[in-house]
This record gives sequence, structure tokens and C-alpha cells, in this order.
Amino acid sequence: TQLLEQSPQFLSIQEGENLTVYCNSSSVFSSLQWYRQEPGEGPVLLVTVVTGGEVKKLKRLTFQFGDARKDSSLHITAAQPGDTGLYLCAGLLIKAAGNKLTFGGGTRVLVKP
Amino acid sequence: GAGVSQSPSNKVTEKGKDVELRCDPISGHTALYWYRQRLGQGLEFLIYFQGNSAPDKSGLPSDRFSAERTGESVSTLTIQRTQQEDSAVYLCASSYGLAGFSYNEQFFGPGTRLTVL
Repeated sequence: TQLLEQSPQFLSIQEGENLTVYCNSSSVFSSLQWYRQEPGEGPVLLVTVVTGGEVKKLKRLTFQFGDARKDSSLHITAAQPGDTGLYLCAGLLIKAAGNKLTFGGGTRVLVKP
Repeated sequence: GAGVSQSPSNKVTEKGKDVELRCDPISGHTALYWYRQRLGQGLEFLIYFQGNSAPDKSGLPSDRFSAERTGESVSTLTIQRTQQEDSAVYLCASSYGLAGFSYNEQFFGPGTRLTVL
């Protein structure tokens, strides 16, 4: 069992539809990050959330950190083929040393034109 | 360079051979991390360096895995007597700043895809 559980594992939608990816844990995190990874490349940071209840918007992407800092969600509005990729959440545990991130298993998103 | 670089990009080896993977972090970044990513999965932490010391080696899967870093620069991850289950993409990341800051961004390299036959 992973410390951070992402759901769903795979999502296939048509261009223009909305989607939500979830990241859940029973542990509390001091911060949580979302990354997107494309084939053959390393993950690229999209956002960092640090305050319980925080909502951040990045164009069509909305990120939310749960009030208890145990969960997060990523919502994409009007998805485009360019949003296709592996979305990873990663959290920094309260007592983690050295900026050691704990990653979820990832959600593979496919947006079909 | 502009970003984190890793070499080789692909490595195919035979079971039982040793391999060495290299990571060049962004200049000035004090922290360096190694992760393993199996096909279609998330990242598994292996080890991190602060400068050239490794405070946390807890993620190394076995004593066949070792890593070192020269100053605040290049790091190498060595896998001895490779096994088929070692096949994965090995990612390196670096970040600026000291340990304990909760939102230092980690910048990732493109990874080395290791295939053990």
C-alpha cells in the first residue's frame, strides 16, 4: 500500500471534457506538489500547495489541498490533447528530512481530439 | 547547463553485470535526489545528497545499490550484479537550498532507462 494513493490510475476522455484526479493519504503533509510527466522526460512541477484548504488555479487547472492536509485534487476544465501525460502528486511528510518527497503511483491521462 | 542531465539515456545490460548511471545537477543546487520509476508507475525514492553527504539512504533496495557525489556536482548511481527486477527508469533531481525547506522545487533530468536482459 502506497502512502499516497492516486485515483483513477488511468483516465481517457474526449477533448473539451472535464476531469478530476485525486490524491489521498492517511498521513499529514506539510506541503503537496503536482507534477506532469511526458514520455521520455522527467516530471515537471505544476504547483505546490502548503496551506490546508488552499486552492490554486493555473489557467484551466485547479488544485486543492484538503483542510486536514491529507488529500489533494487536480481538476482540469475543457481538457485539450496537450494535457495528455502522467500526473503525479508528491507530498512532504511533516517530519521528512531533506525535502524528501513521497510520490503517488500516478494517473495516466489521455485526452483524445 | 540549463537543466539536469543524465547519461546514458538508455542502457541495456546482461544480468549479473555492473552498471553506472550519471547525473549532472543544475549548477549551484546543493541537494540531489535519485528515484526509480517502474513502467507506468510513480517514483520510488532511493537516496538524496546534501552537498556530498548522503543523510538518507533508506530507499536503496539492496546492498547492490550505491551512490556517490563529488562536491556539489556530479553524482553516480552504481548497481552491481544487476538483476532483471532492476529494469526501470532511474531519475535524478536537484534542488536549491538546504534540507528542511518544505517547498524547494525539485528539477528532474530525463532519466536513464535501464534494461537488464
